[in-house]
Order: sequence, then C-alpha cells, then structure tokens
Amino acid sequence: GIQVEQSPPDLILQEGANSTLRCNFSDSVNNLQWFHQNPWGQLINLFYIPSGTKQNGRLSATTVATERYSLLYISSSQTTDSGVYFCAVERNAGNMLTFGGGTRLMVKP
Amino acid sequence: DSGVTQTPKHLITATGQRVTLRCSPRSGDLSVYWYQQSLDQGLQFLIQYYNGEERAKGNILERFSAQQFPDLHSELNLSSLELGDSALYFCASEKQGYNEQFFGPGTRLTVL
Repeated sequence: GIQVEQSPPDLILQEGANSTLRCNFSDSVNNLQWFHQNPWGQLINLFYIPSGTKQNGRLSATTVATERYSLLYISSSQTTDSGVYFCAVERNAGNMLTFGGGTRLMVKP
Repeated sequence: DSGVTQTPKHLITATGQRVTLRCSPRSGDLSVYWYQQSLDQGLQFLIQYYNGEERAKGNILERFSAQQFPDLHSELNLSSLELGDSALYFCASEKQGYNEQFFGPGTRLTVL
C-alpha cells in the first residue's frame, strides 16, 4: 500500500514563530488532506489539497503532486495551534485515507 | 462542527464484553468510513460503507463488524473485547464526487 511519512515528528515553537511541516507519499494520489487533532482528540479539516496552493488565514498548504510531497505552513503561531497535524492521502477516488504518523506541535507562550 | 455525529463520546467496559458505536454522517453523504486510532498503530482504516453496502475493508478484526442502515447511519460492533482494543474510534463521511472526508468527534473506548 501507499506510504505516508511526515516530518518532523515533534516540533516546539515559541509563540509568534513560523513553521513548515512536510508530508511525503510514495505513489500518485487522488486526494490529500491536512488535519489538526486538537488536545480533545477532534480531527479538524484544514485543507483538501490534491495539488496546488491554498491559504486560510495564518495557514497555507502546497502540494506538488508530481514530486509526491505536500507542505503545511503555519505563520505567527499561537498556543491554540498546539496539537498533532496529520497528512492523509487517498489513492483512488472514493477510497480510504492513509494517514501519516503526524507532527506533534507545541507552541509555548 | 463537521456535521458528523458519533455516540457515545466515551465508553468504558470490561474484557470479553460487546459494544456498539454509532455514527450519523453529514446530510446527503452516502459514504461512511470507520477508523481506529491507537497509540501503537496510529490512525488506521477499518471499513467503508456506501449507501448501505460494504465497499472496502481494511485492518478490521473478525471480532469487529459494521453495517449501514437505510437512513445512512452506521454502527460499528466490537465483540469479545480485549485490552488492546482500547482506542479512539472515528467515523468519517464523504459526499459522492467530492473526495473530502469529514470526521466525527470520535468515541473513546477503554477496555479494563
């Protein structure tokens, strides 16, 4: 099956700092999503981004499908950004998501 | 709020018991997916239903089963529970043709 690797596994930032999270995948995909899992365990959709670039406030994401990677940018980080960020890919339309191992982010005040 | 609901939020039970987890997808979504999140295995796909029919199976144990009802809600049944079944169980739904999955808040199962 398809492999999804995220880096770094852990990240500690001071409030206000910027960061880049990376997701590499081993095969072509039909769908790529970024999620934030908050401290209460909820998985919150950040981006649906099989290719190209999207921005939503302080967050933006870029997927380069031909090179099989995606990047999530967090600017001016806040303590509420803490949690685990997951990248997940869908090999074919209407199929299951395969998740990466996540990046655990802690933003310190 | 994703629009996907799951009940109960928390479930504590003993080994050997059977439990049922319930999921209601977003209005109009025909596909329902079940995922398990455990500390050692990460987030893994269990099973998918589409409009009442099983469509795909992942790493789902034989002790686990699921179904999707005519009103499109789904239930995941876990039987002969073991300590290792303790995990967060998520349901997700997807609208046909849109490929984006939305997750419910999860059911945290603790087997003692």
